[in-house]
Amino acid sequence: EIVLTQSPGTLSLSPGERATLSCRASQSVSSSYLAWYQQKPGQTPRLLIYGASTRATGIPDRFSGSGSGTDFTLTISRLEPEDFAVYYCLQYDTPSTFGPGTKVDIK
Amino acid sequence: HLVQSGAEVKKPGASVKISCEASGYTFSKYFIHWVRQAPGQGLEWMGRVDPGNGNTYYAPKVQDRLTMARDTSTSTVYMELSSLRSEDTAIYFCLVLTQGYWGQGTLVTVSA
Repeated sequence: EIVLTQSPGTLSLSPGERATLSCRASQSVSSSYLAWYQQKPGQTPRLLIYGASTRATGIPDRFSGSGSGTDFTLTISRLEPEDFAVYYCLQYDTPSTFGPGTKVDIK
Repeated sequence: HLVQSGAEVKKPGASVKISCEASGYTFSKYFIHWVRQAPGQGLEWMGRVDPGNGNTYYAPKVQDRLTMARDTSTSTVYMELSSLRSEDTAIYFCLVLTQGYWGQGTLVTVSA
């Protein structure tokens, strides 16, 4: 089973700043089967990125994903107030596993 | 696109079966996954079912207690978790991973 590690655990930033979130896998993720989700309190997670770098439908272009193998990154180019949330990576090479999450909060 | 059955309260040792009805797309086209989230915790992948042929794959942690199935006549998938324990208390979600379709979630509470 692939173990995902996300860093940092918490990222404190101001609106307008750039956020860089890391997701590292214990072994290579096949075919870049890596997705990113955003979750706000009391809400269902929202798909942002799949295939490591493909934005899901309706996701603003300030969100971008990159990486391959064992190292993946989610970048939010300029934080908007609605972007403060918890972000999870998921590798969907069976069996799938989630990372523990990175909380992006307001500095 | 995905509508789940309602909240459940179960005693330890019992089983729970949750349904997830799909609509608005070709049922057989995408795997349906199940994920749970315990109160205040992160997301945990539990398993997935291929609606096209019924093949399943379960997370090692729950594979001995978990059964997933599908009914193509109603475009519904089911998840049954047996031998429930207090730590199974969580919101359970069905989802289509790469399409971003999520069910609304089903709260399962395990309490004596």
